[in-house]
Amino acid sequence: GAVVSQHPSWVICKSGTSVKIECRSLDFQATTMFWYRQFPKQSLMLMATSNEGSKATYEQGVEKDKFLINHASLTLSTLTVTSAHPEDSSFYICSARPIGRSTYEQYFGPGTRLTVT
Amino acid sequence: AQKVTQAQTEISVVEKEDVTLDCVYETRDTTYYLFWYKQPPSGELVFLIRRNSFDEQNEISGRYSWNFQKSTSSFNFTITASQVVDSAVYFCALFGGATNKLIFGTGTLLAVQP
Repeated sequence: GAVVSQHPSWVICKSGTSVKIECRSLDFQATTMFWYRQFPKQSLMLMATSNEGSKATYEQGVEKDKFLINHASLTLSTLTVTSAHPEDSSFYICSARPIGRSTYEQYFGPGTRLTVT
Repeated sequence: AQKVTQAQTEISVVEKEDVTLDCVYETRDTTYYLFWYKQPPSGELVFLIRRNSFDEQNEISGRYSWNFQKSTSSFNFTITASQVVDSAVYFCALFGGATNKLIFGTGTLLAVQP
């Protein structure tokens, strides 16, 4: 149980285009999902907390207009990287917190590798 | 402020050696949780263990063992008789009750040579 999927697993896009990444909780519902970014050989950094039915909360330094997050249902959150540039190339990982479970509990997706050319 | 320090950036051992990965944390929370994750080359995070701040019992799971010491704010991870399949990046992480965020250390790349 507690499986989180991400789609696509990898994507290559041209500079200036937008790309959408989906995060789905497959066997549980989640009012809260998290988006992390990991640059090569670096740690995971929390970008934003996504709450179903409300606006996402972004970490300091993360451009909310560039990284659009939508959590339209209890099983799906999307991250759209708008006007992507090569510096946005990274590994994006989402996680989901099951409803009714402890606040520390979250399950991670397999990640999406974004390359902007 | 919360912080997780993994001072060892890279460790290289030969198969069957024991290896300890260090993790030191900082938090003002009285209730917090510590985690270890494994990230193989595929990138997917693999959960290894969670410890809460009130449980200082050491834990052993097969070749893996963890030593939690609040007095030194450390949560170290030992792999006994390492194997090539243990090669990965290992992250220590802290979840504090006050921030409700999971903070990761910088990771330790473990390379186990045959």
